[in-house]
Amino acid sequence: SQQGEEDPQALSIQEGENATMNCSYKTSINNLQWYRQNSGRGLVHLILIRSNEREKHSGRLRVTLDTSKKSSSLLITASRAADTASYFCATDLKGNTGKLIFGQGTTLQVKP
Amino acid sequence: GAVVSQHPSRVICKSGTSVKIECRSLDFQATTMFWYRQFPKQSLMLMATSNEGSKATYEQGVEKDKFLINHASLTLSTLTVTSAHPEDSSFYICSAASSLLSGDFIDTQYFGPGTRLTVL
Repeated sequence: SQQGEEDPQALSIQEGENATMNCSYKTSINNLQWYRQNSGRGLVHLILIRSNEREKHSGRLRVTLDTSKKSSSLLITASRAADTASYFCATDLKGNTGKLIFGQGTTLQVKP
Repeated sequence: GAVVSQHPSRVICKSGTSVKIECRSLDFQATTMFWYRQFPKQSLMLMATSNEGSKATYEQGVEKDKFLINHASLTLSTLTVTSAHPEDSSFYICSAASSLLSGDFIDTQYFGPGTRLTVL
């Protein structure tokens, strides 16, 4: 069964604005990862945050992790039209199986 | 970063035929490959975990006789959709990962570009 729930399901913003997406999960994790997928294409790995980390930055991306609430957020600052895509969180469950369980995804549209 | 390829990128077949999809890690040895399926506007669902030289482990609800997985080498895994039907039409994505000698996984999986299967 799916581990992650994401909200919002869809988000539409103007270029230059910030976009925030949230992910919740159900069981203990090794790490949580965020991916981007352009329509009909493969996945692009954005950022990985380990269970003992609380915040991580990569360029215009900021990810937070709250293991007590079993939730994570992805913030994209100063969005661009090229950021238009679907964004998925994926949890690597404890037990070191390597299996990733994906959330339902957030579809982001950035209007120029 | 590591590169994973899939072939073909797109395939259209008639109902009842079998289709083979290849997943290759081009510049590293993948001890484990994962196969996912994605229906339109939905998320990725893990189908099976494939370890080199051993039988694949299938997720609950995935028919092992329907989706045959072979991981014959450290750089190649194949997924064969047998007797395909229109409901098997989907986007199939593989990912590859590598274990350290200790047996722990390297955190990052590398995803292929996906194969779009359309069964008429």
